[in-house]
Amino acid sequence: AQSVTQPDIHITVSEGASLELRCNYSYGATPYLFWYVQSPGQGLQLLLKYFSGDTLVQGIKGFEAEFKRSQSSFNLRKPSVHWSDAAEYFCAVGDTGGFKTIFGAGTRLFVKA
Amino acid sequence: DTGVSQDPRHKITKRGQNVTFRCDPISEHNRLYWYRQTLGQGPEFLTYFQNEAQLEKSRLLSDRFSAERPKGSFSTLEIQRTEQGDSAMYLCASSLSTGTNTGELFFGEGSRLTVL
Repeated sequence: AQSVTQPDIHITVSEGASLELRCNYSYGATPYLFWYVQSPGQGLQLLLKYFSGDTLVQGIKGFEAEFKRSQSSFNLRKPSVHWSDAAEYFCAVGDTGGFKTIFGAGTRLFVKA
Repeated sequence: DTGVSQDPRHKITKRGQNVTFRCDPISEHNRLYWYRQTLGQGPEFLTYFQNEAQLEKSRLLSDRFSAERPKGSFSTLEIQRTEQGDSAMYLCASSLSTGTNTGELFFGEGSRLTVL
């Protein structure tokens, strides 16, 4: 069965510092992988997705993620964090039909001035 | 169409009462999903529709839960005889199924249920 693990419940970074959020997945075939962001009072928004091709994918708001099949990982990165990036981040895996997407428990990002 | 809308945004009810949530997906989207999210957790899959057909239901969805999507447009999620454990955020999402479907979900802002 599909599963997603986000090892970090919360992370605090200074504004302007780099960020890496970890994600490990379990899936029998080539997965569709996603990162979503949820800001307080707002719906989840897609940051980026991977389903084939280049293993380094670019997303919105300056985020990128790298798919590493050997490590079953899909870590999210940003070179310089802004205070507006404070939110909850969810890694997710979907099957090739995409009809059932499984989410991790999320990592809450705090940004300090 | 500006996105997925859900109604009501907040619902407070007493244990044992029935509640119904409505979701209006993005108009051209043929797939509709319901998820449940509790504090500190990611969204948990509940059920999914392809047009008007309900194709999968999670084991999380007890007999007290029922979802419909008449005519393949809006959807309702009804919870009968609510229990305190039903308190959660109920999220609706939609997507467009095509030959190159990547499974991207578009979420509404959710309906928060509090059962007293």
